[in-house]
Formats: sequence, structure tokens, C-alpha cells
Amino acid sequence: DAGVTQSPTHLIKTRGQQVTLRCSPKSGHDTVSWYQQALGQGPQFIFQYYEEEERQRGNFPDRFSGHQFPNYSSELNVNALLLGDSALYLCASSLGGTRLETQYFGPGTRLLVL
Amino acid sequence: KNQVEQSPQSLIILEGKNCTLQCNYTVSPFSNLRWYKQDTGRGPVSLTIMTFSENTKSNGRYTATLDADTKQSSLHITASQLSDSASYICVVSPYDKVIFGPGTSLSVIP
Repeated sequence: DAGVTQSPTHLIKTRGQQVTLRCSPKSGHDTVSWYQQALGQGPQFIFQYYEEEERQRGNFPDRFSGHQFPNYSSELNVNALLLGDSALYLCASSLGGTRLETQYFGPGTRLLVL
Repeated sequence: KNQVEQSPQSLIILEGKNCTLQCNYTVSPFSNLRWYKQDTGRGPVSLTIMTFSENTKSNGRYTATLDADTKQSSLHITASQLSDSASYICVVSPYDKVIFGPGTSLSVIP
């Protein structure tokens, strides 16, 4: 039973470019949340997808967008990259509608913007 | 002011010793409070999860406590091992969001 997987593991981009990160949830999970974690900081919530819709959103600009597919996998897109977007991007999966359900995190994608 | 604060920011202990990490929060009410362990460059892994009404939860050498009156939680690690070196993150979940603390960086040395 595969856990949460993310791709790619590492990525280097330049300012102004666009990037797409991918996440496959743990088997049986239908909800995907995305987080941004700067070096030495705790994760910051970006948004959550459930039933192919964005259900919740943190304090991130519209440059950050996402998508969830019918198989529950998800993408995070970031446009017009800034140096400050350099971070570890974490995907977490869980079961929708069950607040006590623990989120399972993927290994993350390390993005470096030059 | 951050809604979830953790102390100390970093900690160094000798292998075999015990330690306690603190989490103070202002979020109220909330549905659950979790402690995660995050190895460097990896995703967080859940250690414990407690509802608002629970006082303590154990997972092997890890024991979490929760005092809803003082809005404090602690994570006690017993007989530390080198593999316990990691960042420990307190997460409080109100009913509509998830709020992460900044984490405590623990280093266990031989």
C-alpha cells in the first residue's frame, strides 16, 4: 500500500517561470492539502481539494492554483515565480469530512527559484 | 501573535535522556491537536492525535499531554535515541483549518 507520493523531488526554476508539482494521495484517501514550508519554519497551509474542488484556502496569492483529478491525485501550480517561493512543498492526504482523521504527508518537493 | 507557539526553539540532549517539548496555543475551540515528527528534508509523520476532551496519548516512547484550561500541550520523549533527532511540530485544528506551530528542533547526541 503506497503512501503519499510527490513528484518531482527537487526542482530549480528562475524568476517569472511557472511550475507544476504533483501529488498522489494514500490509497483510500480522497482529500489533498498542500503546504509551503520555508527553511526553519512550520508548514503554511495553501489550499485543500476534495471532490475535485478547492474547499479551503490559506493566505496565498492567486499565483498559486491547483487541481484535483477524478482519481484524487492533485497538482499545485505556481505562476510568475518569485525568489520567496523557494521552499519545501508538502502534500498531505486524508479522508474528507472526518476531522479526527490524521493527515499523511508526502516527502515533499524542494523548489529553488533563482 | 502566532496562534500556535512552541518552546524551546531548539534543544540538544544526550542519548538516553528524557525531554519535554512545549506547545502553547490560543486557538479555541478546536477539534484536535497533533504532534508530528519531521526529519530534515522529509514530510512530517504523525506521532499523536488528541481530541479537545483527551488529556494524554502515548505512542511508544512518545507521550503527549493536553491541558485545555491553560491551552498547553507537551510532548515527552523517554530514553531518547539518536534517531529522535528531528523537528517536532504541534498542530492545532479548529473545525475549519489546520494551524502549524514553528516546531522545536531536537538534536540527540551520543
